[in-house]
Amino acid sequence: NAGVTQTPKFQVLKTGQSMTLQCAQDMNHEYMSWYRQDPGMGLRLIHYSVGAGITDQGEVPNGYNVSRSTTEDFPLRLLSAAPSQTSVYFCASSRRLESEEGPFFGPGTRLTVL
Amino acid sequence: GQQLNQSPQSMFIQEGEDVSMNCTSSSIFNTWLWYKQDPGEGPVLLIALYKAGELTSNGRLTAQFGITRKDSFLNISASIPSDVGIYFCAGLKGANSKLTFGKGITLSVRP
Repeated sequence: NAGVTQTPKFQVLKTGQSMTLQCAQDMNHEYMSWYRQDPGMGLRLIHYSVGAGITDQGEVPNGYNVSRSTTEDFPLRLLSAAPSQTSVYFCASSRRLESEEGPFFGPGTRLTVL
Repeated sequence: GQQLNQSPQSMFIQEGEDVSMNCTSSSIFNTWLWYKQDPGEGPVLLIALYKAGELTSNGRLTAQFGITRKDSFLNISASIPSDVGIYFCAGLKGANSKLTFGKGITLSVRP
């Protein structure tokens, strides 16, 4: 199993550009989520999905869109990038929302918006 | 959103020393998780705790689920240079809940 994979690993955007951060998991997990990590702020939940076709907002959803057309994939879209979205983004998955084994995290995408 | 409290933000220890870190909250959690994040990587689960008072070990790491269910502790014994990284606690309240994360403690180990 590859676990949770994320692409790209690094990305630089100009303000106003759009892009999609890719996330895939091969563990047949129902629950997938996106976090952003900023210095001194810890991990903050952006969006999550409890299954294909179902998504919901987390703590900091503004400026991001998600969709979940398959169990395996959960892309995160930035429609118009802003410098405030410079961050490290982690995708995670788990068997269920309240999984006691904790989510498995991907390696992260480091995004800089100029 | 609610955060779990982890302090200090950074800790510096000498190789071979033991180190303890705690995670506190004003509310009760039913599951406590401890993650480690190596530089440039995603967080990896170290230990999961499911019962109040539970003490669980993973090699040189030992974690405890506080009796009040409002805190948890992680101890690393005989630290080595590869212990450097960010240690996060996370709590889960129950069915249909989402994880709450602490802000993490950055551990540095001097050789």
